[in-house]
Amino acid sequence: DTAVSQTPKYLVTQMGNDKSIKCEQNLGHDTMYWYKQDSKKFLKIMFSYNNKELIINETVPNRFSPKSPDKAHLNLHINSLELGDSAVYFCASSHSVNQPQHFGDGTRLSIL
Amino acid sequence: GESVGLHLPTLSVQEGDNSIINCAYSNSASDYFIWYKQESGKGPQFIIDIRSNMDKRQGQRVTVLLNKTVKHLSLQIAATQPGDSAVYFCAENSQAGTALIFGKGTTLSVSS
Repeated sequence: DTAVSQTPKYLVTQMGNDKSIKCEQNLGHDTMYWYKQDSKKFLKIMFSYNNKELIINETVPNRFSPKSPDKAHLNLHINSLELGDSAVYFCASSHSVNQPQHFGDGTRLSIL
Repeated sequence: GESVGLHLPTLSVQEGDNSIINCAYSNSASDYFIWYKQESGKGPQFIIDIRSNMDKRQGQRVTVLLNKTVKHLSLQIAATQPGDSAVYFCAENSQAGTALIFGKGTTLSVSS
């Protein structure tokens, strides 16, 4: 009965590879998000989707591409991984904007 | 109880004390504020929120205070327990109201 689930929990890969992180929510929420948390615990919004449509795209490199096949899923694909991409990536969802966001437990991405 | 000045990165208290975690927000137009707790290896967990038409809101053992004049938000935890040890984040809605902007976290350590 996990509310927001992300897979994988850990991802270790080489520089230059392409990888995807999946996120699913079973809360019936309309809005989903991706955040990046760096080594200093700073959390920053990357993308926000409402009803499968992109509403926020912060200054994130084009190598990051979110995909929302339906309201319950928001996946994150990353091309040509770089060392600086190492971080914990969190998916979240909410009923709408300005409502509490529920977070997954994160995907720890490590680039070798 | 123990209080801190404006954003200290760490706060150490004894079990049973009251804790106060402070946060300064940046945008005077923000109208929604939220506190999250993040335990090691987990995603941020919603604690309490407050809208700008209120200056105080209480939950179970927690109280959030909002001072719009000085753009200050605080989280008070009554009778702090070891299980309250975590990183605490405040967040405000973005200018467009479409995502949360997180502050720097405060690590709360509770000793018994």
